[in-house]
Amino acid sequence: GAVVSQHPSWVICKSGTSVKIECRSLDFQATTMFWYRQFPKQSLMLMATSNEGSKATYEQGVEKDKFLINHASLTLSTLTVTSAHPEDSSFYICSARDGRLNTDTQYFGPGTRLTVL
Amino acid sequence: QKEVEQNSGPLSVPEGAIASLNCTYSDRGSQSFFWYRQYSGKSPELIMFIYSNGDKEDGRFTAQLNKASQYVSLLIRDSQPSDSATYLCAVKGTSYGKLTFGQGTILTVHP
Repeated sequence: GAVVSQHPSWVICKSGTSVKIECRSLDFQATTMFWYRQFPKQSLMLMATSNEGSKATYEQGVEKDKFLINHASLTLSTLTVTSAHPEDSSFYICSARDGRLNTDTQYFGPGTRLTVL
Repeated sequence: QKEVEQNSGPLSVPEGAIASLNCTYSDRGSQSFFWYRQYSGKSPELIMFIYSNGDKEDGRFTAQLNKASQYVSLLIRDSQPSDSATYLCAVKGTSYGKLTFGQGTILTVHP
């Protein structure tokens, strides 16, 4: 199978602090990972595309200095929410592209629920 | 016009019936099409993908693709209450690896 893990599964922090979320592909190498955000009762919104060994590509309207992405290896990408504020509270989900298939199938991690007080 | 459109529902079907979920997309260059299921509070899980015109079957699920009509659907046979979830249609266009998601269709299967 294709398993993607995320850590932590939930986090509560105070306003102004930074939070790091890890995304790992456990049984395959992922040269590309994606970070999404989902607010209640809304669909997934792509934040950025993370490529191993290069800078992430951010979607329009996403602040790259606030949402720092590092894809240091073929199995790990991290998202750091810097100086988090209550409006950043959301469900953050990563996905990893399984390059073994030619269809660009993405497998999702279980998500991280961030609550900023 | 949204790039990927789904009827938000809710779609309600009785247990044992066939649930039909539909999706249209605007980019004619789209190459691959995916159906994900998302339970409340959970992340999406892949049901199946399709990239050729026609039908693709996997157990109780059948995906149908018609590129000329820019239409993709998912049929769920013998629907079960455990199938109650939000179903997301995702389309890979010309951007490398990037998927565009529809807003999802809420399916409720009642006993």
